[in-house]
Amino acid sequence: GAVVSQHPSRVICKSGTSVKIECRSLDFQATTMFWYRQFPKQSLMLMATSNEGSKATYEQGVEKDKFLINHASLTLSTLTVTSAHPEDSSFYICSARVDRGSTIREQYFGPGTRLTVT
Amino acid sequence: GQQVMQIPQYQHVQEGEDFTTYCNSSTTLSNIQWYKQRPGGHPVFLIQLVKSGEVKKQKRLTFQFGEAKKNSSLHITATQTTDVGTYFCAGPVTEAGNNRKLIWGLGTSLAVNP
Repeated sequence: GAVVSQHPSRVICKSGTSVKIECRSLDFQATTMFWYRQFPKQSLMLMATSNEGSKATYEQGVEKDKFLINHASLTLSTLTVTSAHPEDSSFYICSARVDRGSTIREQYFGPGTRLTVT
Repeated sequence: GQQVMQIPQYQHVQEGEDFTTYCNSSTTLSNIQWYKQRPGGHPVFLIQLVKSGEVKKQKRLTFQFGEAKKNSSLHITATQTTDVGTYFCAGPVTEAGNNRKLIWGLGTSLAVNP
């Protein structure tokens, strides 16, 4: 199956600093990547949809200036949490998808990044 | 907006018992996808159902897509401790600007007593 890597797996940072998370599709080209946030024992909360070469589409309530997304190539998307605060502590997961025709196909998830802001 | 509801939220079974989780969409879906997330892990794609009334099996797992393509179920026969995790259903939606994404159910967390 398709493999998606995510780096770093864990990060602890001080309040006010910025953190960049990388998401890479290793053996396929992803036309679309997604960034999710997940709190303990809760469902996936979609933050934004990232399409290669275009601006990300953010979900309602997600601050685009705080969560910067760059999808520079078909294999790499980055999420930067700017000026992080303790309430930004969470599990961030990316996923990648290859669309063929009109069918919305399955997503392949990275292993996630556990962010702790102190 | 479109919603995907999933029940039950939690299920605790004895090893060997069967388990079923149900997924209901507020609108007709072009397909439905199921994912499994182990504790501490990330979601892993299990299967996609496309056709009305479709039934697919993966060993002890049976997936069904309703005739109206608005509901789906996942049934596990004779659960094992390796089945522990949260099972999510997800349905696609296309928004303005051709933004295509998945709407996720809240998941059903399965615990299995050995």
